Amino acid sequence: DTAVSQTPKYLVTQMGNDKSIKCEQNLGHDTMYWYKQDSKKFLKIMFSYNNKELIINETVPNRFSPKSPDKAHLNLHINSLELGDSAVYFCASSQDLGWVSDTEAFFGQGTRLTVV
Amino acid sequence: RKEVEQDPGPFNVPEGATVAFNCTYSNSASQSFFWYRQDCRKEPKLLMSVYSSGNEDGRFTAQLNRASQYISLLIRDSKLSDSATYLCVVTPLIDNYGQNFVFGPGTRLSVLP
Repeated sequence: DTAVSQTPKYLVTQMGNDKSIKCEQNLGHDTMYWYKQDSKKFLKIMFSYNNKELIINETVPNRFSPKSPDKAHLNLHINSLELGDSAVYFCASSQDLGWVSDTEAFFGQGTRLTVV
Repeated sequence: RKEVEQDPGPFNVPEGATVAFNCTYSNSASQSFFWYRQDCRKEPKLLMSVYSSGNEDGRFTAQLNRASQYISLLIRDSKLSDSATYLCVVTPLIDNYGQNFVFGPGTRLSVLP
């Protein structure tokens, strides 16, 4: 029943490894996002997809590659993990109504990534 | 200058107090405005949308001043369960297509017994 679900919830891995985080939403939304929340708790957008098309790609290292096989899924693959990648990663979705405002974003429970 | 700025906090208030949070944003083309709440080690959740006319939901009142690019949240009769981080969120339209939810740094509230 979870609207936005992401897995895994916790991920501990060594530097240099490659890992993926999966996200799925069952809300029928057009737009999905990945956010990173660092140790200072600041939530910053990384990527946004609308109907499988990349809309926002903030200044994120190339080691981060999002993949959207369909509009209900947005996965995040991270290559060559670094210590600085340790953070909580949140997936979110919203209904894109174009110029119409007031569409909220729903968030997954987050994936706490620790790189050791 | 950050796109969205908030009171640095934390705010420590006794139960029953009234507390006000302030937020300013820099992008005048912003379309939608929200207050989100984030509990410790949880995901952000919508508290309320913010409309130009001001809106109220129980003990919570939100105000928007587009001219000043200022948003506020007032919590009356605060409860222990109100303890959380309050996030101001603004959505600038991206080339008339899609939206981006820009978060402020958050203000932490602790309501004390």
